[in-house]
Amino acid sequence: EDKVVQSPLSLVVHEGDTVTLNCSYEVTNFRSLLWYKQEKKAPTFLFMLTSSGIEKKSGRLSSILDKKELFSILNITATQTGDSAIYLCAVEAIRPRLDSGYALNFGKGTSLLVTP
Amino acid sequence: NAGVTQTPKFQVLKTGQSMTLQCAQDMNHNSMYWYRQDPGMGLRLIYYSASEGTTDKGEVPNGYNVSRLNKREFSLRLESAAPSQTSVYFCASSRDKSYEQYFGPGTRLTVT
Repeated sequence: EDKVVQSPLSLVVHEGDTVTLNCSYEVTNFRSLLWYKQEKKAPTFLFMLTSSGIEKKSGRLSSILDKKELFSILNITATQTGDSAIYLCAVEAIRPRLDSGYALNFGKGTSLLVTP
Repeated sequence: NAGVTQTPKFQVLKTGQSMTLQCAQDMNHNSMYWYRQDPGMGLRLIYYSASEGTTDKGEVPNGYNVSRLNKREFSLRLESAAPSQTSVYFCASSRDKSYEQYFGPGTRLTVT
């Protein structure tokens, strides 16, 4: 059975701290790993990772994938209160158990609270 | 561009009632998806449509049906609602399968 496990489940930090969020996975026929940020409503896309060791960066956020050890991390430096959200990790797999062989499994998310 | 829109935003149903959740996107995306999000369960894929004219089951399809009406619209139908279907439902779209998805604002459904 496919698994996507995020840790920690929740985290409280002070503004200016650096945080690292983890996502480990066990899936057959891995295709990509995606990170989303969910504030009060809909998830918004952050990164898509397909290759090991290549860091993706957007402002204070960065992410990297390790396909050998089956995990990804999302780093946020110099956190701000606006970074408070649930961060979702999702892993795409291609396998025949579904009609068209496509599956996207989400982790349960990490709830981040940044306090002033 | 409105992106992905969903209606209604909120709905309360009684057990056994039926309803259809509507979703539309104006980004000319080929693929569309329906998810449900429950506390402690994360997002789970109900159905998706890789392209106009096709639909496929996701992880939790039981109790639901979908229609890809045209390239823009993808609806989710509950034929006989059950309390276990109380959830927040998100529609999403992507350029194609395996591209990043853009989510609608969600529909909060309560079945009593």
